Amino acid sequence: RKEVEQDPGPFNVPEGATVAFNCTYSNSASQSFFWYRQDCRKEPKLLMSVYSSGNEDGRFTAQLNRASQYISLLIRDSKLSDSATYLCVVSYQKLVFGTGTRLLVSP
Amino acid sequence: DAGVIQSPRHEVTEMGQEVTLRCKPISGHDYLFWYRQTMMRGLELLIYFNNNVPIDDSGMPEDRFSAKMPNASFSTLKIQPSEPRDSAVYFCASSSGTTHNEQFFGPGTRLTVL
Repeated sequence: RKEVEQDPGPFNVPEGATVAFNCTYSNSASQSFFWYRQDCRKEPKLLMSVYSSGNEDGRFTAQLNRASQYISLLIRDSKLSDSATYLCVVSYQKLVFGTGTRLLVSP
Repeated sequence: DAGVIQSPRHEVTEMGQEVTLRCKPISGHDYLFWYRQTMMRGLELLIYFNNNVPIDDSGMPEDRFSAKMPNASFSTLKIQPSEPRDSAVYFCASSSGTTHNEQFFGPGTRLTVL
């Protein structure tokens, strides 16, 4: 079983839509959780950290469910510029990256 | 401020040749990471350093791969001899404090081995 699993997508949504991604992780001792964003042919960049209480940053909301070992990312009012690959990242002794979920937002 | 710097940005070489990738981390960061990204396997951690000392090299594929960090501002990843299956994008990243903190990635080196 992979340490971090994500649906690769792609998720095709129209502008203005709400879209959600989930990610599961296998190590119950994981300590930190993140979502990174990677644009085509670019490097990954931190989108947001994920806290147990859930956290929001503008149109983006991240949730963590430790009991079920999954993390979610919700994007509201999708923009064309949100088109990218979203990487779920879990940290135990080091960061482990999921293979990413690709999002395509169309006009 | 300059981010993580990697060179070269693109490298095309023939099987059997030696390849050296270079990385300059963000000044003040005490952790440096080397990753490899492919479509099939995603982003894989190869090795990481703390204060110039290799801590975990369990992700290094085989003896053909080696990495060094002679000082706080420079690291190399060497592949000798290179093989076509080594074709990938190699990222260097740095962070400060712990391995759980945000990592800042360089632009990557796109390696093609013919």
